[in-house]
Amino acid sequence: DAMVIQNPRYQVTQFGKPVTLSCSQTLNHNVMYWYQQKSSQAPKLLFHYYDKDFNNEADTPDNFQSRRPNTSFCFLDIRSPGLGDAAMYLCATSRESAERGSTDTQYFGPGTRLTVL
Amino acid sequence: AQKVTQAQTEISVVEKEDVTLDCVYETRDTTYYLFWYKQPPSGELVFLIRRNSFDEQNEISGRYSWNFQKSTSSFNFTITASQVVDSAVYFCALSDYMEYGNKLVFGAGTILRVKS
Repeated sequence: DAMVIQNPRYQVTQFGKPVTLSCSQTLNHNVMYWYQQKSSQAPKLLFHYYDKDFNNEADTPDNFQSRRPNTSFCFLDIRSPGLGDAAMYLCATSRESAERGSTDTQYFGPGTRLTVL
Repeated sequence: AQKVTQAQTEISVVEKEDVTLDCVYETRDTTYYLFWYKQPPSGELVFLIRRNSFDEQNEISGRYSWNFQKSTSSFNFTITASQVVDSAVYFCALSDYMEYGNKLVFGAGTILRVKS
């Protein structure tokens, strides 16, 4: 089945120790997104890729970086995790919106729950 | 700016009861999309429905139905004959256009607890 896969499902890291979360998709979608969801809150967009074009949200901390080496894979790098970065990280994909007002559905992966000790 | 309000923080019902989850949105766009997602305890966001602003027909899918009313900027979700498996957090979301792709602006979510 076509899907969005995230690994690992659970990640524990130490304060300040870099960590990388991965996302892959078999939907062949052009756009990939990373959302952060803290406990009991709504998901919040960190950044997204259209193909290899990276688009950062204005309020995303510099501590968060991303890489997309090809259509299928996207990585989230947290350079120096702090306690406040403990959250669920959700990857999503969608097809390109060809024109304003054309919006496709975003399909989400199962998420990676990050714990920072 | 886009905004979604889900005023019900938590709802508890007994199995087989009907339940309606409210969603009110704000936008200046004339063309926009609304979504509902379900988030079970496992954490994955499961897509339920997408509705564009020009389609005000109500939709029914099994036990699920959606009532879109542009006049009141509402997109409410009803589960008929609720089941324990319906227990989850439900998010309403509104599209916010970006040059490529779209940003989802989520409401705060409503926790639904269905008791047997």
